[in-house]
Amino acid sequence: EDQVTQSPEALRLQEGESSSLNCSYTVSGLRGLFWYRQDPGKGPEFLFTLYSAGEEKEKERLKATLTKKESFLHITAPKPEDSATYLCAVRLGPPSNDYKLSFGAGTTVTVRA
Amino acid sequence: GAVVSQHPSWVICKSGTSVKIECRSLDFQATTMFWYRQFPKQSLMLMATSNEGSKATYEQGVEKDKFLINHASLTLSTLTVTSAHPEDSSFYICSASPQGSGNTIYFGEGSWLTVV
Repeated sequence: EDQVTQSPEALRLQEGESSSLNCSYTVSGLRGLFWYRQDPGKGPEFLFTLYSAGEEKEKERLKATLTKKESFLHITAPKPEDSATYLCAVRLGPPSNDYKLSFGAGTTVTVRA
Repeated sequence: GAVVSQHPSWVICKSGTSVKIECRSLDFQATTMFWYRQFPKQSLMLMATSNEGSKATYEQGVEKDKFLINHASLTLSTLTVTSAHPEDSSFYICSASPQGSGNTIYFGEGSWLTVV
């Protein structure tokens, strides 16, 4: 069964303290791994899509990497505004149903000033 | 950039009544949209796939007669919660992707439903 597992469940950081979030997956034939940021009471905000092992993408203080079994979201020198829940998702289904996602439970990041 | 909009952002309804939530793609067309629900401090759970011009496809355990989905056009999908009960209270979110572009999947802002 396809599964997406995120760890840790919660992460408390001091401003400037870099760290990484993990997303491990067991899917046959990965066709895209997505990272989203979700603020309380709002819909997920798209961050990155990764497709193949070794791929990396960056956006401001965030960097996402992908291996054959897991993805990491690195937060470099975080600021309080980086506080959010970060969701990882994998794309499921046949090519004709290309946008169906299965989500992990998320990692809630709190950055203290 | 591409935007997906939901309406209403929040709604309170009485038990036994029905409530409709709209999901619109504002600057692109989407033959397929997805509906998720999210309970507090939990992740998104896919409910159903909304297909323009055909019936929706529901995930296992989701009652199709309770959660009616209509994909009226290439930019609009609606979710109607029928005969709502307090346990239907949740955060409902839709997603869509521009046709031919599966690289980016956009989500709406979500709709809070409270059934009293």
